Amino acid sequence: DTGVSQDPRHKITKRGQNVTFRCDPISEHNRLYWYRQTLGQGPEFLTYFQNEAQLEKSRLLSDRFSAERPKGSFSTLEIQRTEQGDSAMYLCASSLGPGQGAEQYFGPGTRLTVT
Amino acid sequence: GDSVTQMEGPVTLSEEAFLTINCTYTATGYPSLFWYVQYPGEGLQLLLKATKADDKGSNKGFEATYRKETTSFHLEKGSVQVSDSAVYFCALVLSGGSYIPTFGRGTSLIVHP
Repeated sequence: DTGVSQDPRHKITKRGQNVTFRCDPISEHNRLYWYRQTLGQGPEFLTYFQNEAQLEKSRLLSDRFSAERPKGSFSTLEIQRTEQGDSAMYLCASSLGPGQGAEQYFGPGTRLTVT
Repeated sequence: GDSVTQMEGPVTLSEEAFLTINCTYTATGYPSLFWYVQYPGEGLQLLLKATKADDKGSNKGFEATYRKETTSFHLEKGSVQVSDSAVYFCALVLSGGSYIPTFGRGTSLIVHP
């Protein structure tokens, strides 16, 4: 078990550019979540997958954001036409199934800076 | 809507001091409650959890008791160490639906030698 990994760890981009982040969950976990975290705030839910199906998207996820999880393994989060307000830490987490007590395992995050 | 409120930080303590970080919640159902910890440069890690009223979660010397009557889940530790310096997040997960956690804003703990 190597844990949840995210790539890249840091990304600096200019406003208007597109960026893509990758998340590799723990291999047997069928749920994968994306969150956004800004300074002084807790993680805010963006979207989640059950296997390859994207089951829920937050209102925070504008149409510039898209996420995929082909074959139910790794996931990508793409932000098109980045804005300065997109600057944040993007966290990925995975869990073994749903359930009220299910523990989420978080990756180290990708810090995005939009200049 | 459902929400979690944590005491504002930073909380600054000397080593071996007693720690309390307050967490209260508002929920329409009966949530499970969690404490996560985030060390500098790392992702969140589950510290402890409680799934029903009066349950006590404990781990690494930290404890929290699920108090339904006061809708609280305060985190405590009897003797903190410098290595406990981190940000602590309280979270709730409701039964049914998608089981997406709602997090508090986090409380930074700084422990001095």
